[in-house]
Amino acid sequence: DQQVKQNSPSLSVQEGRISILNCDYTNSMFDYFLWYKKYPAEGPTFLISISSIKDKNEDGRFTVFLNKSAKHLSLHIVPSQPGDSAVYFCAVADRGSTLGRLYFGRGTQLTVWP
Amino acid sequence: NAGVMQNPRHLVRRRGQEARLRCSPMKGHSHVYWYRQLPEEGLKFMVYLQKENIIDESGMPKERFSAEFPKEGPSILRIQQVVRGDSAAYFCASSPTGYSNQPQHFGDGTRLSIL
Repeated sequence: DQQVKQNSPSLSVQEGRISILNCDYTNSMFDYFLWYKKYPAEGPTFLISISSIKDKNEDGRFTVFLNKSAKHLSLHIVPSQPGDSAVYFCAVADRGSTLGRLYFGRGTQLTVWP
Repeated sequence: NAGVMQNPRHLVRRRGQEARLRCSPMKGHSHVYWYRQLPEEGLKFMVYLQKENIIDESGMPKERFSAEFPKEGPSILRIQQVVRGDSAAYFCASSPTGYSNQPQHFGDGTRLSIL
């Protein structure tokens, strides 16, 4: 029973272009959403987050968009750089819970080519 | 190094042996989470601990797995009588509070291989 889905296992983008990574969730209780980036043989690194009271959060080249009615979020990276090549995980949480667990998608492998 | 520290980075065990994975949270963090990542999968929650307390172990297999976070020292994830299916990357994360409105910070994981 997967509560968080990243339907694209891979994405290939040319340097300088926009990368758009997508994520869908099933449970309307989730109200805090995060993106993590992971390089091989390393742990996930926090990238950006958004709470359900907002529909957009921007940090430099990274922007996360949230569509609550569609239970969908996306991460936009612009312009994409070769160093952005990594696996990107979407994670969600229920802020009302004190248990703090995160639910992760399976990840999308982003490759940015020169 | 103020990050989450996990050791060992790689651990090889034979079937039936015990595996012990250690995690030291970031300085000032008293909440620790363990996740497991199987090949081609996302991270799956296993257990959430505070100092000397297990808060949520609903993601832990019922047998052979245990976790602790003593008053002094690192958090330990113990797997007894390991089987091939235990081969995975095990990640520890920490946060300053148990609330979900703050990101968790991850260590680089322990890659467990069962021969």
